[in-house]
Amino acid sequence: NAGVTQTPKFRVLKTGQSMTLLCAQDMNHEYMYWYRQDPGMGLRLIHYSVGEGTTAKGEVPDGYNVSRLKKQNFLLGLESAAPSQTSVYFCASSWVGSPLHFGNGTRLTVT
Amino acid sequence: RKEVEQDPGPFNVPEGATVAFNCTYSNSASQSFFWYRQDCRKEPKLLMSVYSSGNEDGRFTAQLNRASQYISLLIRDSKLSDSATYLCVVKGTGGFKTIFGAGTRLFVKA
Repeated sequence: NAGVTQTPKFRVLKTGQSMTLLCAQDMNHEYMYWYRQDPGMGLRLIHYSVGEGTTAKGEVPDGYNVSRLKKQNFLLGLESAAPSQTSVYFCASSWVGSPLHFGNGTRLTVT
Repeated sequence: RKEVEQDPGPFNVPEGATVAFNCTYSNSASQSFFWYRQDCRKEPKLLMSVYSSGNEDGRFTAQLNRASQYISLLIRDSKLSDSATYLCVVKGTGGFKTIFGAGTRLFVKA
């Protein structure tokens, strides 16, 4: 049982490049989330989804887009990366009211 | 005001000590509450859920006070392996929007 899988684990981008982070869960969870965590800081919610085909903005959505075309996948896109987006990105999934299960994270550096 | 606020820490305690973490939340309609543990550069992992009646898991005890919008975590007989950051987590109305506190760092020393 893989749980929540994030790819890639590491990535270095140049300013202005684009990329997509993939999150896949095999627990049939309805809800999926993308967070970012900067050094010494807490997790901040970027976007979330309450079901296939739905997405919503979190606390820090600017500069990111998401899609949930399939229930098991939640994609996070950066159209034009900026150094301020250097961070660790965590994906998570859950049922309503239940705890979140996290992936191992993606460490992104934008130079 | 942040939606979820925790003691900033860090807490430095000797092995065997009892340590308490506090957390407050601003949305009175919040429905679910949890404590997570995060080790350096790793993903957060669920430590325990928090219920109004209070709950205990070995050396860990969690309490929820809905009237005061306050959550606590008590760790008894601290171990070196308890050194980590402890995150207070609140799920809002509808059970999906999940907000994390900034975390409280704990260092347990021999």
